[in-house]
Amino acid sequence: AQTVTQSQPEMSVQEAETVTLSCTYDTSESDYYLFWYKQPPSRQMILVIRQEAYKQQNATENRFSVNFQKAAKSFSLKISDSQLGDAAMYFCAYRSAMSQGGSEKLVFGKGTKLTVNP
Amino acid sequence: DAGVIQSPRHEVTEMGQEVTLRCKPISGHDYLFWYRQTMMRGLELLIYFNNNVPIDDSGMPEDRFSAKMPNASFSTLKIQPSEPRDSAVYFCASSLYPVNYGYTFGSGTRLTVV
Repeated sequence: AQTVTQSQPEMSVQEAETVTLSCTYDTSESDYYLFWYKQPPSRQMILVIRQEAYKQQNATENRFSVNFQKAAKSFSLKISDSQLGDAAMYFCAYRSAMSQGGSEKLVFGKGTKLTVNP
Repeated sequence: DAGVIQSPRHEVTEMGQEVTLRCKPISGHDYLFWYRQTMMRGLELLIYFNNNVPIDDSGMPEDRFSAKMPNASFSTLKIQPSEPRDSAVYFCASSLYPVNYGYTFGSGTRLTVV
C-alpha cells in the first residue's frame, strides 16, 4: 500500500519570505498523481497544486510551485512571497493512476501546520 | 456552482444515539468520497461511490457505520450507535472521472459524541 510522509509537523515563515514543505511517498507504481491541499482554520480542504508523475516539469500555480523528484519519491511544495492568508495545514496526497477498483482514493500525509509571521 | 454541501456543520450527540451526516455532491460528478479526519490518524478514506454504487468500503471502521447514495445528488453516512471514539471531522468530497484532478471537498461535519 502506498504511504505518504510529511516529516515537518510545523513550519513557520516570515511574511514575504519563501518556505518549502516536504513530502515523501512510498510506491512501487510508475504512474501516479500527487497533490497538495490547503486546510485553513475554516476547515475547507482546498486543492493548491497537482503533479502528474509522467511529467518531468514541475507544476507551478502562481506563488506555489513543487519540486518533484521521482527517483527520490519526493514532492515538496514551495510557497514564495508568503502571505498571512497562507497560514494553514498543508496536506500532501497520492493517487494511483491505475484504473482498478480501489485506486480512485487519495492517500494523505499527516499534514504540516504553516504559521506566517507578520 | 455551490460546491459540495454537507450538513450539519456541527453535531453533538450522546453516546448510543444514531447520527446521520448528509452530503450533496457537485452536479455531474461521478465519484463521491467520505473521509474522516482525526488528530491521531489524519485523513482516512471510509468509503467511496462511483455512479451511486459503493466501490470500496474497506475503510469503514465497523458495522456501526453505514453509507448510502440513493441518487446522484445525495449521500448519507450513518453511525448507529455512536461512541465517543467516533468524534472527528467527517468530510464528503466529489470528483469527475478521471479523478486525476483531485477532489472537491465539502466543509466537513464536526461530530462530537459525549
